Amino acid sequence: GAGVSQSPSNKVTEKGKDVELRCDPISGHTALYWYRQSLGQGLEFLIYFQGNSAPDKSGLPSDRFSAERTGGSVSTLTIQRTQQEDSAVYLCASSLELRTDTQYFGPGTRLTVL
Amino acid sequence: AQKVTQAQTEISVVEKEDVTLDCVYETRDTTYYLFWYKQPPSGELVFLIRRNSFDEQNEISGRYSWNFQKSTSSFNFTITASQVVDSAVYFCALSEAEPARIKAAGNKLTFGGGTRVLVKP
Repeated sequence: GAGVSQSPSNKVTEKGKDVELRCDPISGHTALYWYRQSLGQGLEFLIYFQGNSAPDKSGLPSDRFSAERTGGSVSTLTIQRTQQEDSAVYLCASSLELRTDTQYFGPGTRLTVL
Repeated sequence: AQKVTQAQTEISVVEKEDVTLDCVYETRDTTYYLFWYKQPPSGELVFLIRRNSFDEQNEISGRYSWNFQKSTSSFNFTITASQVVDSAVYFCALSEAEPARIKAAGNKLTFGGGTRVLVKP
């Protein structure tokens, strides 16, 4: 079956602009995760969803970051007023259930902030 | 707090050599899961293996094998008879599985810094 998909694959934006990154999880997966991969910080956890709910947003780097999930499926990560330090690859993963299940990753969105 | 350390940043081998990737972890929990993921040049993280903290049996899958030792908090990965297609960055990861922690942060993965493996023909 289809894996996790993310769009766009690449995004170049100017500092100060808002961007939206989309994740489409594997069909039937209830848990969805966002991670960020950057040269300086490695792979870091941002936020997770169980259904449409995100119980803990403390992993988001700043209040410029927000995320939502609708219909228990597609999720959008929004970065407002982008800064150069936001440049990274944003990875989405999904798992069948929240507890203990293996996470399967999408191809990522490479964000470059000029 | 949970932590994963991959001390080797880069390993270069010639094809058909064996290569072992080290992974050391720290956790407060008695219940946890360990993972290995492969990230080829294309960038997508590919799941290789998951091991729970109560199962120390080593595992072999084709040319891949894993050695889990709770006594030393290590979960090492060996590629036997390496091939050029094995060239990638390999990440070790940990998720803590105590119910209270899952409730707070889901099944979040804490990754090591990765080990880049370069297999030369």
